[in-house]
Amino acid sequence: AAGVIQSPRHLIKEKRETATLKCYPIPRHDTVYWYQQGPGQDPQFLISFYEKMQSDKGSIPDRFSAQQFSDYHSELNMSSLELGDSALYFCASSPRTGEHRATNEKLFFGSGTQLSVL
Amino acid sequence: KQEVTQIPAALSVPEGENLVLNCSFTDSAIYNLQWFRQDPGKGLTSLLLIQSSQREQTSGRLNASLDKSSGRSTLYIAASQPGDSATYLCAVLYSGGGADGLTFGKGTHLIIQP
Repeated sequence: AAGVIQSPRHLIKEKRETATLKCYPIPRHDTVYWYQQGPGQDPQFLISFYEKMQSDKGSIPDRFSAQQFSDYHSELNMSSLELGDSALYFCASSPRTGEHRATNEKLFFGSGTQLSVL
Repeated sequence: KQEVTQIPAALSVPEGENLVLNCSFTDSAIYNLQWFRQDPGKGLTSLLLIQSSQREQTSGRLNASLDKSSGRSTLYIAASQPGDSATYLCAVLYSGGGADGLTFGKGTHLIIQP
């Protein structure tokens, strides 16, 4: 079965550079979530999209932005990178039956993008 | 602040034993609770999802329970195998006007000794 695909798998950047992470959800999943997991930490919710519109915002820094495109894939854009941005960035997708939060659906996670900021 | 706590942080048991992982959450206003498995450097795999109206869910050797009133959930693994070695994360979707995303615990690192 198709899974959530994230690219790149690994990314190395220097401080103050920019990075773009991509996520391709499972077909027919219209909701995408982004999470950040620092070393030894639990995943932290960043932002979510439903039907190409921002659904909710968590602890996403102002230096980061994201969007969901017409084919439902999503991109997380990160600017002015800092050392503390080094983390594993996960994308997850789920189906949603309406405008409200997907309270009944499992989230399916991608394998993540490991970002290292030097 | 809505939090999720998992105990123990690490657990090592011989193969074949039954074991219980614990999760507690601070606010009973939840939509659901999920248990995930994470292998080193890998993504999260959803194991079980329990709706707030449910008491337990079972999948194979796994059984998860939910006691919303006491803010607790347990993940029971029967007849453990070395392949069960991983970090197990509990995550709650709070309903009290919080964010769309899950609130995770820090996980229990499980090692099954062959």
